Amino acid sequence: QQQVKQSPQSLIVQKGGISIINCAYENTAFDYFPWYQQFPGKGPALLIAIRPDVSEKKEGRFTISFNKSAKQFSLHIMDSQPGDSATYFCAASRTGANNLFFGTGTRLTVIP
Amino acid sequence: KAGVTQTPRYLIKTRGQQVTLSCSPISGHRSVSWYQQTPGQGLQFLFEYFSETQRNKGNFPGRFSGRQFSNSRSEMNVSTLELGDSALYLCASSLDRRQELFFGEGSRLTVL
Repeated sequence: QQQVKQSPQSLIVQKGGISIINCAYENTAFDYFPWYQQFPGKGPALLIAIRPDVSEKKEGRFTISFNKSAKQFSLHIMDSQPGDSATYFCAASRTGANNLFFGTGTRLTVIP
Repeated sequence: KAGVTQTPRYLIKTRGQQVTLSCSPISGHRSVSWYQQTPGQGLQFLFEYFSETQRNKGNFPGRFSGRQFSNSRSEMNVSTLELGDSALYLCASSLDRRQELFFGEGSRLTVL
């Protein structure tokens, strides 16, 4: 049973465009929602994370939007660049637990 | 500050053998978690160690085990290897229960 559902599986965006990746969860006990970026041959790297007490968090070109009632959260990458081409994973966990439940990943390709 | 270091990076084993993977966390990090990454199942939590004690365990058979040493370094062992154990094994460290996980580059295991 997939605890966190992620879409789309792959995404192609023109340079300068907006990339949007969506995730949904079922477990209402989850209260920590990070996004990870993974390049080929590398481990996932924490990009940005949010907790349910806020509806949006922005760090540079990356923004997380969080909808607690819908149990959904999304990653927006503004002004997408070819260097952003990577696989993105959303995840969720609950306070005090370091076991993250990951989405299935989105392979983003930014075309120059 | 050095990141999470995993050794070996690549290894090939045959069915029935056993394997031990090593992880050195970021200096000062006391929690070490292990994840398995495969194309079919994605990223799945194996177990977490803190102060030499297993604090949490994922849904994997008993062939998968781990331990943590007093210097926070961790090892995981897989006995009686099966073809399906071929995967990228990722180690992540964090400061106690703060949940910001920092991943290593992984150990890629191929079982023939």
